[in-house]
Amino acid sequence: GQQLNQSPQSMFIQEGEDVSMNCTSSSIFNTWLWYKQDPGEGPVLLIALYKAGELTSNGRLTAQFGITRKDSFLNISASIPSDVGIYFCAGSNTDKLIFGTGTRLQVFP
Amino acid sequence: ETGVTQTPRHLVMGMTNKKSLKCEQHLGHNAMYWYKQSAKKPLELMFVYSLEERVENNSVPSRFSPECPNSSHLFLHLHTLQPEDSALYLCASSQERNNEQFFGPGTRLTVL
Repeated sequence: GQQLNQSPQSMFIQEGEDVSMNCTSSSIFNTWLWYKQDPGEGPVLLIALYKAGELTSNGRLTAQFGITRKDSFLNISASIPSDVGIYFCAGSNTDKLIFGTGTRLQVFP
Repeated sequence: ETGVTQTPRHLVMGMTNKKSLKCEQHLGHNAMYWYKQSAKKPLELMFVYSLEERVENNSVPSRFSPECPNSSHLFLHLHTLQPEDSALYLCASSQERNNEQFFGPGTRLTVL
């Protein structure tokens, strides 16, 4: 099935550093979603974006809906150990919701 | 309870067993989903129910049988599974189909 290209696949950073990850697609989406999954748990919705160019924040997290509607970015500022997990993007239209392959984030103290 | 709940959280079964996974959503949503998540693979959508009707079945083997008795409950009946079916099975719900989905904690299934 169709997938979103998410990069990087994994990141190893030091506590306090900023993090950037992105998601790209060959298709246009009406909505972009970002989820975080902790080990052994289900994904938790972090941010939802509904409009091209939209920039939305949730605490230390900021996500943007790309102007072309084919990409989205997630930034985490001043990372902390509990940011560890897998981050998934998802693009949505009325007929489908497609998930990215995930970015695994490790934060070292 | 709030959100999306799943039981059991962990399940170990033999290939000849029959078991069922249960999902319940307390969000008043109209659509429910089953996903399979295997190690190092993307989320695989298995089934979609909208207003209690199955609207999507993504080539899932017949040894997996979903049931949606009402808009709040979703089951996944399992029989004669294979070891490669071992995975985390996630349930999700959304207000409308393919809107923001809210996930349950998952059932970790191991088939021996």
